[in-house]
Amino acid sequence: EAGVAQSPRYKIIEKRQSVAFWCNPISGHATLYWYQQILGQGPKLLIQFQNNGVVDDSQLPKDRFSAERLKGVDSTLKIQPAKLEDSAVYLCASSLDTAATGELFFGEGSRLTVL
Amino acid sequence: KQEVTQIPAALSVPEGENLVLNCSFTDSAIYNLQWFRQDPGKGLTSLLLIQSSQREQTSGRLNASLDKSSGRSTLYIAASQPGDSATYLCAVIWATGRRALTFGSGTRLQVQP
Repeated sequence: EAGVAQSPRYKIIEKRQSVAFWCNPISGHATLYWYQQILGQGPKLLIQFQNNGVVDDSQLPKDRFSAERLKGVDSTLKIQPAKLEDSAVYLCASSLDTAATGELFFGEGSRLTVL
Repeated sequence: KQEVTQIPAALSVPEGENLVLNCSFTDSAIYNLQWFRQDPGKGLTSLLLIQSSQREQTSGRLNASLDKSSGRSTLYIAASQPGDSATYLCAVIWATGRRALTFGSGTRLQVQP
């Protein structure tokens, strides 16, 4: 079974530029999450989708971050304009259980460096 | 506020030692608790999932326990090996409020050969 796929793995941009990350979850998984992990910290939830609807985006900085989940499958996370403090690893995860009580599977992450 | 705490932040042990990693959470009303491993530059690998009705789970040399009443979980690693060196994260899904994993900051483990 293929895992959660993310791209790109690494991205370096200047502040005020834009960037987009892509995630393909495990086939059949209804719930998709984007987490932000700053160096030395645990991951922090940015947004949670169930199928193609948003369940929780309360911690997403909506003035600069946006995310969508196309047809309840793939998802993209965009940052525009980027700030220095956005330097982090962006992790995508998916779970089978629509009640979000099941096991989560994570991708390898996309590491963003903002200069 | 619903929080997850892991102490210590870092731990170094000699190979072969049995060790315990600690996780505490502020709200005992949880759906489940998960332990993850993270290698440098990599994503998270799920190790053990404990449902709220369970007291422990075992996988190989790993044993995780859950005590909801005291808001604690421990991850026991038997006969540690250098290959166990990684950051270990625990995470909780709360029964109320946000229905997604809330993570601790992790314990960075170094097993010395």
